[in-house]
Amino acid sequence: KQEVTQIPAALSVPEGENLVLNCSFTDSAIYNLQWFRQDPGKGLTSLLLIQSSQREQTSGRLNASLDKSSGRSTLYIAASQPGDSATYLCAQNSGYALNFGKGTSLLVTP
Amino acid sequence: ETGVTQTPRHLVMGMTNKKSLKCEQHLGHNAMYWYKQSAKKPLELMFVYNFKEQTENNSVPSRFSPECPNSSHLFLHLHTLQPEDSALYLCASSLKQGAEDGYTFGSGTRLTVV
Repeated sequence: KQEVTQIPAALSVPEGENLVLNCSFTDSAIYNLQWFRQDPGKGLTSLLLIQSSQREQTSGRLNASLDKSSGRSTLYIAASQPGDSATYLCAQNSGYALNFGKGTSLLVTP
Repeated sequence: ETGVTQTPRHLVMGMTNKKSLKCEQHLGHNAMYWYKQSAKKPLELMFVYNFKEQTENNSVPSRFSPECPNSSHLFLHLHTLQPEDSALYLCASSLKQGAEDGYTFGSGTRLTVV
């Protein structure tokens, strides 16, 4: 069974810090990996999509990397802000559907 | 709005009721998905439709019945639900099943079964 694991489950940081969220997956047959943000009670907002042939993608203060050989992806958030507080989900696309981790709940305090 | 619209946003229903969830997209996508999100659990894939054909029923109880009349609309018909079915139900779409250009999600329907 394909599994996606996210570490840590929860994270609290003061405003301005740089932080890294980790995602690992067991299935090497990966088409791409997608990072999402979810605010409480809301749907999923796509942040970054990394194709299997790519090593990283950047959007503003966000940078996501992908290492297929080790089955890992990281989401780097620079200069965190209170508005970044949310749950961050990574999802592996195996070519069939998306497989999700449980998410990392991030709280950025002023 | 992401381009995927789900209605209603909230639904409270009794165990003997029949209700339907609706999902609509006008992104030109041909694959649509239902996911269930329960507390403390990863999103669970329920159903997949690719070009209007159901390609996956992920061992979902028959009290959940999907319908995809065209590539732009997806329904989830609910009948005789249990309290443990209370969850956030999310609809997603992609260009085709497993598409490499990513998935787009709706805002979800928060379902409470009483």
